[in-house]
Amino acid sequence: LAKTTQPISMDSYEGQEVNITCSHNNIATNDYITWYQQFPSQGPRFIIQGYKTKVTNEVASLFIPADRKSSTLSLPRVSLSDTAVYYCLVGDPGFQKLVFGTGTRLLVSP
Amino acid sequence: GAVVSQHPSWVICKSGTSVKIECRSLDFQATTMFWYRQFPKQSLMLMATSNEGSKATYEQGVEKDKFLINHASLTLSTLTVTSAHPEDSSFYICSAPGTSGYNEQFFGPGTRLTVL
Repeated sequence: LAKTTQPISMDSYEGQEVNITCSHNNIATNDYITWYQQFPSQGPRFIIQGYKTKVTNEVASLFIPADRKSSTLSLPRVSLSDTAVYYCLVGDPGFQKLVFGTGTRLLVSP
Repeated sequence: GAVVSQHPSWVICKSGTSVKIECRSLDFQATTMFWYRQFPKQSLMLMATSNEGSKATYEQGVEKDKFLINHASLTLSTLTVTSAHPEDSSFYICSAPGTSGYNEQFFGPGTRLTVL
């Protein structure tokens, strides 16, 4: 499974756009990129998944450059409730076992 | 969407006792479930893969005799922490894969285990 590298923490303010970048230099051809969100004392929650270019849903956007060696999770206009840890994972969709990296601890302040 | 529940949500036990944690998929079937452990301020660590009708697969370094896993049905997996010690105190989380084709896992709310 490809190893990922993310910033340990990020700070933002309400209403700002937050971009969290994840490096995955050894991503394999069949690997997808998936992001999870975890609030304290809760299980992680799926946010978004993509293979290349851009994916957008009601929660976030995921930008993946052509070489796929990195990806950026974009959270538009964050609120206090977006304070959480965000995990970037890469893997083959058919391979269900997930290996979590350190994640990025996002703190949103008023 | 798919829902995974865990019971209990928290448990306190004495050192040397055993504790069972249940993980249920409420509205879908799961032939495979996963168990994770998470210490404070740390990431999730995969402990084992629970397989319905067969033995669990444990990750390297996880004692299979200490962390007993039983996947008795398509909706229930249990993790039993045997002879618990204070160092086993942690947040235990289970997950089950979705069926949408994405590599999406549905996680339970977690169980906080405190061993005195």
